[in-house]
Amino acid sequence: EADIYQTPRYLVIGTGKKITLECSQTMGHDKMYWYQQDPGMELHLIHYSYGVNSTEKGDLSSESTVSRIRTEHFPLTLESARPSHTSQYLCASSELGTSSYEQYFGPGTRLTVT
Amino acid sequence: AQSVTQLGSHVSVSEGALVLLRCNYSSSVPPYLFWYVQYPNQGLQLLLKYTSAATLVKGINGFEAEFKKSETSFHLTKPSAHMSDAAEYFCAVSLSGNTPLVFGKGTRLSVIA
Repeated sequence: EADIYQTPRYLVIGTGKKITLECSQTMGHDKMYWYQQDPGMELHLIHYSYGVNSTEKGDLSSESTVSRIRTEHFPLTLESARPSHTSQYLCASSELGTSSYEQYFGPGTRLTVT
Repeated sequence: AQSVTQLGSHVSVSEGALVLLRCNYSSSVPPYLFWYVQYPNQGLQLLLKYTSAATLVKGINGFEAEFKKSETSFHLTKPSAHMSDAAEYFCAVSLSGNTPLVFGKGTRLSVIA
């Protein structure tokens, strides 16, 4: 079973607040990802990282930022939350340099901005 | 660039009936293909993957998928649906281990008693 954790699982906050969504994995994976999932299910890649001090923007433009100071930790920050940020956020990780290529997902954080 | 198309955003089957979820991909090179399942309020779980070995891939929970290069397809099947199979299913493609997965829009499977 994959060991990737996200906190909080559910968060309701007011507009303008700064929030950080936490993601940690204990598998030693180099690659980590953040996806935003619409209510209609579709996943959009918003950020990814291939190792410490490496971060890239994904396909979907996002007002969030990420950091990768430690291999196991990949937090996502919203400086000023807006109702349009209401969504489910999924974190994932995978190994670098193997033939498996599969991604392991955390349980997600469901964010509601009022 | 690679892409994935899942035909049918919602599929409904009777319990015990065949499950068929369709996935077509677009890729300029032989891809790596995946099926994931998502239960309510959970993350995605890998069902099965194709990584250029056998074209018929068996996964967990009785699911399997066949890679057909000529049809650029990777459809997911299960001979007999169970109520516990009701979930969201995602097909995904990657050109190599160094590119992020590209996901389809997902198919919601409902199982009717």
